[in-house]
Amino acid sequence: AQSVTQPDIHITVSEGASLELRCNYSYGATPYLFWYVQSPGQGLQLLLKYFSGDTLVQGIKGFEAEFKRSQSSFNLRKPSVHWSDAAEYFCAVAPFGGATNKLIFGTGTLLAVQP
Amino acid sequence: NAGVTQTPKFRILKIGQSMTLQCTQDMNHNYMYWYRQDPGMGLKLIYYSVGAGITDKGEVPNGYNVSRSTTEDFPLRLELAAPSQTSVYFCASKSGTEETQYFGPGTRLLVL
Repeated sequence: AQSVTQPDIHITVSEGASLELRCNYSYGATPYLFWYVQSPGQGLQLLLKYFSGDTLVQGIKGFEAEFKRSQSSFNLRKPSVHWSDAAEYFCAVAPFGGATNKLIFGTGTLLAVQP
Repeated sequence: NAGVTQTPKFRILKIGQSMTLQCTQDMNHNYMYWYRQDPGMGLKLIYYSVGAGITDKGEVPNGYNVSRSTTEDFPLRLELAAPSQTSVYFCASKSGTEETQYFGPGTRLLVL
């Protein structure tokens, strides 16, 4: 069965420090890959996505993610975290070529930013 | 262009009551989805629709019903509310030509 693992439930970083959030997926082929962010009390906003091509993708708010096929990973990074980045981050996959491309979500990583 | 809108934002129900969560999108998307989000569990798919008149079950459909009479609207019905349905519910939509799902702001439901 397809699954998405976000091993870090909660991460705390200092403002200005770098950030990496981990995401691993289990799927027979390369799926579509997404990172969403959810600010407190808000819906989900798409940060970035990977379908094919260049394995390093740029997103909004200064985030980037790198797809590594050999590790079945799609880790999210940001070189310098801002206090406004405090939120919950979800990795999601959609099977390539699926008729409805239903998203399978990880359990999320809650990011806290220290001043 | 409002995107995906959901009403109400928050609701308290008593056990056994019924209610309908409304979802509307103005992007002419064929695909629509209902998810529930529980703490530490991520989002789970309840029902989805690939177009008007076509719906199908997701991962956690028990206790819910949906209908899709128009492209714009995809209401979620709870017939007999149970405490286990206390959750945050998100509606999402996407077009048939791209893979990105767009989410509404959510409905927070408390069943007591």
